[in-house]
Amino acid sequence: SQQGEEDPQALSIQEGENATMNCSYKTSINNLQWYRQNSGRGLVHLILIRSNEREKHSGRLRVTLDTSKKSSSLLITASRAADTASYFCATDGRNSGGSNYKLTFGKGTLLTVNP
Amino acid sequence: SQTIHQWPATLVQPVGSPLSLECTVEGTSNPNLYWYRQAAGRGLQLLFYSVGIGQISSEVPQNLSASRPQDRQFILSSKKLLLSDSGFYLCAWNEFFGPGTRLTVL
Repeated sequence: SQQGEEDPQALSIQEGENATMNCSYKTSINNLQWYRQNSGRGLVHLILIRSNEREKHSGRLRVTLDTSKKSSSLLITASRAADTASYFCATDGRNSGGSNYKLTFGKGTLLTVNP
Repeated sequence: SQTIHQWPATLVQPVGSPLSLECTVEGTSNPNLYWYRQAAGRGLQLLFYSVGIGQISSEVPQNLSASRPQDRQFILSSKKLLLSDSGFYLCAWNEFFGPGTRLTVL
């Protein structure tokens, strides 16, 4: 079954606005990661947040993690047309052991930033 | 830093034909390697992972197999492709992904 589930499935905003995407998961995790995928391309790793962290920043990206609610959010501030892509969250479960990156992905959020 | 190579980038194959997709990694030794498949409009599904030469674990039953003949080489194979094998195949080293191979089975 899907571990990560993103919402919304699709999001359309204007350049300069902020975009927030959410991810929920079902079982305990070691880490949660966010990826970006441009159409037909490979995945770009954005941020890894560990289960003992609550918030992490990288440039215009801000990720939060609430393990009590089994949820995470990705905020992109001051969006640009180049941010148009699909965004996925992925988790690796506590029972996968150590640094084993057996990732379970959600179906993704398709973000469209209109110029 | 690590580099992950995959080839071919795209592949069109007839049903029933064999398949061999290759993944190689630079910049690391004894990596944990993973094969994922992405169906159209979906997230990724883990197919196989390998923690070392000759060590393969399968995550889902399927028409595919994997092999790890060398430390930094991971191969995805099939003896006879099915239409349902079409998709985007990505190799990963831990959380880092290669560029992928888009397979279309006709």
